[in-house]
Amino acid sequence: AQRVTQPEKLLSVFKGAPVELKCNYSYSGSPELFWYVQYSRQRLQLLLRHISRESIKGFTADLNKGETSFHLKKPFAQEEDSAMYYCALGGSQGNLIFGKGTKLSVKP
Amino acid sequence: SAVISQKPSRDICQRGTSLTIQCQVDSQVTMMFWYRQQPGQSLTLIATANQGSEATYESGFVIDKFPISRPNLTFSTLTVSNMSPEDSSIYLCSVDGSYTGELFFGEGSRLTVL
Repeated sequence: AQRVTQPEKLLSVFKGAPVELKCNYSYSGSPELFWYVQYSRQRLQLLLRHISRESIKGFTADLNKGETSFHLKKPFAQEEDSAMYYCALGGSQGNLIFGKGTKLSVKP
Repeated sequence: SAVISQKPSRDICQRGTSLTIQCQVDSQVTMMFWYRQQPGQSLTLIATANQGSEATYESGFVIDKFPISRPNLTFSTLTVSNMSPEDSSIYLCSVDGSYTGELFFGEGSRLTVL
């Protein structure tokens, strides 16, 4: 079965500290993985996708097939990074399967 | 990208009534998805709506409770029927980003059932 696990419900760090939001997936085929972000009072939006290997707002995520992980990282967190982050796996119908989300709180 | 408008943005409803949520997209899209986000929970797919065919429902969701229409490539509706307080959620419309696998989301419709 396709499944996404985000073990941390809440992650709290100080400004300037490194951040790692964990994501593990379960999928027998070749996965398509995404990170979505939802800032306060805004709609859910794509942060990055593994296929493009890009860095957005300083965030990167590397797909590790051996560990079935797609952790999101940023070396120096900023206060404006505070948001809900969802890891998502591409489903067989073109839909996305979401993890439960991690709330990132960056303190000044 | 696609711009998605959902109506209503929020509503308070009485138990036993029904509410229809509308989703309008600014471009033609093949696939539209309806998700539910219950308080403190993640997004759960309700159904996939393709134009010209019946919606495909996920396990735990049935057409009688959540009828969906998809009359054309830019519009869809989701009805929440015979509502109970357990239906209090945010309902989100999303569309595929064609060739990217990315989904675009509406702002959601926050439904409170008393």
